[in-house]
Amino acid sequence: DGGITQSPKYLFRKEGQNVTLSCEQNLNHDAMYWYRQDPGQGLRLIYYSQIVNDFQKGDIAEGYSVSREKKESFPLTVTSAQKNPTAFYLCASSVQGLMNTEAFFGQGTRLTVV
Amino acid sequence: GDSVTQMEGPVTLSEEAFLTINCTYTATGYPSLFWYVQYPGEGLQLLLKATKADDKGSNKGFEATYRKETTSFHLEKGSVQVSDSAVYFCAQPSGTYKYIFGTGTRLKVLA
Repeated sequence: DGGITQSPKYLFRKEGQNVTLSCEQNLNHDAMYWYRQDPGQGLRLIYYSQIVNDFQKGDIAEGYSVSREKKESFPLTVTSAQKNPTAFYLCASSVQGLMNTEAFFGQGTRLTVV
Repeated sequence: GDSVTQMEGPVTLSEEAFLTINCTYTATGYPSLFWYVQYPGEGLQLLLKATKADDKGSNKGFEATYRKETTSFHLEKGSVQVSDSAVYFCAQPSGTYKYIFGTGTRLKVLA
């Protein structure tokens, strides 16, 4: 079955450490996205990638980094510069843009800083 | 700027009750509108969409009509089930690669 796989489901990090969240899709989609979800704030866009080897900052990119070396993969690194990293992180993809088509979401990774 | 406003939750209903979750938007032009649903511990999945004014999206007994006069896209279901308990998000595109999401409305259906 085609879909988006995020791993791990739960992740614990000590303050000052970088951590990388995995996102893989086998839908052959060009565009991929990372969102952060906090209670009562909906979803906020961290980074997006329109195509391989290209990515753009979203609304809350500070303290995060991404790469898009393969069409299927869009890993997110949460760096020690991110002041409040504890959140639920969602990866998504779409065929191209979002104007008339849906995004497909992964199951999410819950990151907790301990 | 563009925005999406959803009614505050949580909404608690008895099984077989009628559901309405309000969503209004502000936008330049007439964007497509979407409802996504998030079940506990999971990611979002598309529930329904409408791509132009007066369109009605429907799926799994849920409906929403794109009303440009009132800039609204309210979600309705005639008879909710316990399995409909989830968080519902209204969304619109803002630019080619960005969604604006509402804050989400949590629905709890009691047996």
